[in-house]
Amino acid sequence: EPEVTQTPSHQVTQMGQEVILRCVPISNHLYFYWYRQILGQKVEFLVSFYNNEISEKSEIFDDQFSVERPDGSNFTLKIRSTKLEDSAMYFCASKGEQGSTEAFFGQGTRLTVV
Amino acid sequence: GENVEQHPSTLSVQEGDSAVIKCTYSDSASNYFPWYKQELGKRPQLIIDIRSNVGEKKDQRIAVTLNKTAKHFSLHITETQPEDSAVYFCAGGGSQGNLIFGKGTKLSVKP
Repeated sequence: EPEVTQTPSHQVTQMGQEVILRCVPISNHLYFYWYRQILGQKVEFLVSFYNNEISEKSEIFDDQFSVERPDGSNFTLKIRSTKLEDSAMYFCASKGEQGSTEAFFGQGTRLTVV
Repeated sequence: GENVEQHPSTLSVQEGDSAVIKCTYSDSASNYFPWYKQELGKRPQLIIDIRSNVGEKKDQRIAVTLNKTAKHFSLHITETQPEDSAVYFCAGGGSQGNLIFGKGTKLSVKP
């Protein structure tokens, strides 16, 4: 069964450093998302991406964040200058064509900022 | 934007009993309402979903109901088993597919 894969599974970084979280969505999917989940809290929407551009973003997704689909298979989330409060589990998700409903989540990347 | 409220935050039931989790949403444009189960340290897994043109949907021991007028939707689990213990999240979404999640309900099923 096809699945969304994320790397790395755990990333530890120094405060102020840049991190890139990587995702490989399911191959024929068209919609891509990043969510985050601070430990013990709810899953929060960050950004959606369709047709090579951001279609929607939340208040959390400020200028420190960016997304890219560099080569037609990878979907990346970059945090330019990490803060302690960026520590969370980051989930990538993808969805098929317009009208399909289920979003498939990756296994997540646990980001720890120290 | 959409806001999803979920209750209760914790729920403890005896094995074999039913469990009900309720959510409300604010954006009448939302038309898709999935429920996710998340076990500790794992990804959210879709267990059932409902679209706004349907009032009820059932899959074995799990059912979801939707009241569009009141902007309520609920998850019903019957004949609960210890392996149902997890955190359950409701969510609401629109045509773009981005989901707004509730705060989660930690369900404990005691044998």
